[in-house]
Formats: sequence, structure tokens, C-alpha cells
Amino acid sequence: NAGVMQNPRHLVRRRGQEARLRCSPMKGHSHVYWYRQLPEEGLKFMVYLQKENIIDESGMPKERFSAEFPKEGPSILRIQQVVRGDSAAYFCASSPLLDTEAFFGQGTRLTVV
Amino acid sequence: AQKITQTQPGMFVQEKEAVTLDCTYDTSDQSYGLFWYKQPSSGEMIFLIYQGSYDEQNATEGRYSLNFQKARKSANLVISASQLGDSAMYFCAMREGTGANSKLTFGKGITLSVRP
Repeated sequence: NAGVMQNPRHLVRRRGQEARLRCSPMKGHSHVYWYRQLPEEGLKFMVYLQKENIIDESGMPKERFSAEFPKEGPSILRIQQVVRGDSAAYFCASSPLLDTEAFFGQGTRLTVV
Repeated sequence: AQKITQTQPGMFVQEKEAVTLDCTYDTSDQSYGLFWYKQPSSGEMIFLIYQGSYDEQNATEGRYSLNFQKARKSANLVISASQLGDSAMYFCAMREGTGANSKLTFGKGITLSVRP
């Protein structure tokens, strides 16, 4: 059973470009969470999704950020018109229904130049 | 108030000794879960141990144990017989509510360095 897969592992974007981060949850997991980690900080919750539904987006910036988890395929975190402050590690985690543990992917490190 | 507090700036331990990493939390929920994750320099987040608020016994996973003191709202991680590979950042996290539909709130983390 493969773990949570995130790609790419490293992503460099120029200011103003779009960044698309992908997350494939563990097999059988239908709950996906995205977190952001700034340097020297803990992880901050961004959004929680189930298949085709956004359940909680209270941690998402109001502009430029969006997330989806389609019926088929990975979950996507999309950042439009990136700025230097978006540089961070973005982690995806998945949980099976009614389980307790959230398993994390290896993260995508976004660098905006 | 912060939900998860990790105040130790950095910890050092001699190889093969035990070390305790502190974590206090703040919640008004009766049902919650506490987690510890390890983040080595390679950056991935590795799940270590989980304690449910209704669990009467302290959780243990190999060399990891969680010293859960509910009245004091503390959930300290104890690592026994430290190894060089234990050098990493350690994060305490809390999930409030039940089921898989609750987000994790993380502390700022503690750096642990194991000396040979």
C-alpha cells in the first residue's frame, strides 16, 4: 500500500506564475488535508476535502489559492500569481473514514523567485 | 491562547539516554486526539504516536511513549534509548472533535539533537 504521494517534490516558480501541487492519498483514504509550513514554523491547516467536496477551507487565503479533489485523480492545490511569500513547504495528508491517524506525504517545496 | 505550546527551544541528549519533549495543549472539547510527528532534515512528516483523550493508558510505540496528564493538559513525548537517527524536529499536534473530519493544529516544534 503506497503512502501519500505528492508531486513535484520541488517546484520553482517566478513571481506571477501559477503553481499546481498534486496529492494522491493512500489507497482507501477519501479525506485529504493540505497544510503549509513556513520556514522555522509548524504546519498550518489550509483546507480539508473529500471527493468532489470542500469540507473546510478556513485556513485558505481568500485570493489566489484554490483546491480540488475530483472524483478521479489526485487532489490539486493551485496557487495563482505566486508571490515570494508563498514560498513554503506544502504538505498533503490523508485519512480513512473514521480513523484517527493522518498520514502525510513528503511535501512539495515551493520556491518563488 | 495557543492551542498547542512547545516552548523548549532545542534539546540535546546523549546517545542511548532517554529524553522528554514537552507539549501542553488547550481545548474545551471533551473528545480530542494528540499526535506527535517527527520531521528529519529531509523534510517529511513521520507519524510517531497517538493518544486519544479517553484513553486511560499512556500510548506506547516501540521506543516512543506519551506521558499523558489530562488534568494538566500535557502530552509529553518520551524517547527511550536515543539514537543518532532521532535527531530531528518534533511536532506535537491536536485534533479536536471525533472522526477523520477534524483538522490538526500543530505546535511550533522542538529541535532534538542526539550526541554520540
